[in-house]
Amino acid sequence: GENVEQHPSTLSVQEGDSAVIKCTYSDSASNYFPWYKQELGKRPQLIIDIRSNVGEKKDQRIAVTLNKTAKHFSLHITETQPEDSAVYFCAASRTNAGKSTFGDGTTLTVKP
Amino acid sequence: GAVVSQHPSWVICKSGTSVKIECRSLDFQATTMFWYRQFPKQSLMLMATSNEGSKATYEQGVEKDKFLINHASLTLSTLTVTSAHPEDSSFYICSAILRTAAGGGTQYFGPGTRLTVL
Repeated sequence: GENVEQHPSTLSVQEGDSAVIKCTYSDSASNYFPWYKQELGKRPQLIIDIRSNVGEKKDQRIAVTLNKTAKHFSLHITETQPEDSAVYFCAASRTNAGKSTFGDGTTLTVKP
Repeated sequence: GAVVSQHPSWVICKSGTSVKIECRSLDFQATTMFWYRQFPKQSLMLMATSNEGSKATYEQGVEKDKFLINHASLTLSTLTVTSAHPEDSSFYICSAILRTAAGGGTQYFGPGTRLTVL
């Protein structure tokens, strides 16, 4: 089955700095790569996703890059703010309507 | 739109009893729902895929007789933890797929249910 590895497990940055979280996957048939943000005690929420036919996608301060050959994808958050503090999960699946395999999560702390 | 609810939000039960958790898609129909288990400070572990009108598909290592899943309507899936034991204590989260006209979909999560078995 699919195996998704996520690094780092914890990340602390100063407000205004950038944060990068990286994930690798094993199933070459995976085509859909979402990123979720989970605040303490709340449900995971989709913040950005990318499909395998695209190398990069950006939405304001958040961007995701995908290297399908190397089987890795990354989340980039620029100009971080304290409200960006949360646990971020990457995931991989064969379709965007199918089951996903999640990474172990990254706890991001943005210090004011 | 695209809201998924779970009930109850938390439950405490005695060892040996059964607990039912409901997952509802409030404003859309979902032929596919997923059930996850999340331990403190850990990732979401997929337990099973719930398909409306058919049997659930369980992930390897998940006991289907212990975690009964029923997806009887397009807006409701239930997870019943049978003969619960303390090791079943966890945070259970469901999700529902909102399908697009193109055939894809987006996964929306419920708020989770905290189960504590004494």
